[in-house]
Amino acid sequence: AQTVTQSQPEMSVQEAETVTLSCTYDTSESDYYLFWYKQPPSRQMILVIRQEAYKQQNATENRFSVNFQKAAKSFSLKISDSQLGDAAMYFCAYRSAILGGGSTLGRLYFGRGTQLTVWP
Amino acid sequence: EAQVTQNPRYLITVTGKKLTVTCSQNMNHEYMSWYRQDPGLGLRQIYYSMNVEVTDKGDVPEGYKVSRKEKRNFPLILESPSPNQTSLYFCASSLRTAQETQYFGPGTRLLVL
Repeated sequence: AQTVTQSQPEMSVQEAETVTLSCTYDTSESDYYLFWYKQPPSRQMILVIRQEAYKQQNATENRFSVNFQKAAKSFSLKISDSQLGDAAMYFCAYRSAILGGGSTLGRLYFGRGTQLTVWP
Repeated sequence: EAQVTQNPRYLITVTGKKLTVTCSQNMNHEYMSWYRQDPGLGLRQIYYSMNVEVTDKGDVPEGYKVSRKEKRNFPLILESPSPNQTSLYFCASSLRTAQETQYFGPGTRLLVL
């Protein structure tokens, strides 16, 4: 089964600074999707950014960008110009792009999360 | 507004009393899924559905049932809740099974006494 590992249970950053959250994953598949979700205190799960494994270019969404290293199975999230509203739990997730039998079909595999604190 | 809704948002119940958490999406999504979130464990999949009348188990299906009689609805049923089912539950949906981003409902916080 696929596994997703977030090795930093907690991170902190000063407002306006840059922070990078780490994520590694284990898979034997060649085609898949990777996601970062944000969970603020409201507990809502909000999609931050998505990366298709077949694309070499790193995804970006405004202040959020990823460093996708397919060979190393690494998918880190960089938050630039951090804002107080960025404080949240961040989850890395994996989803197979391969339709086929077995229990992995359609499932999102989540890491255990990184709690980000933003200091004013 | 495109969204996934869940009801109730908060529920306190007692062991053994059957309950249903509803999930509905208005985006004509084929794929729907239930997750539970527990501290330190991230989110784990309970059940999923690829389309109407097609459901299957996820990682932690014990103690839960689901049904998918209509495309928009995917209720989660706890026939005899136990305290270890105290958790935060999320429903999610995506347009299709594998390629699409999953969108989450607001969550249901369940406490089983």
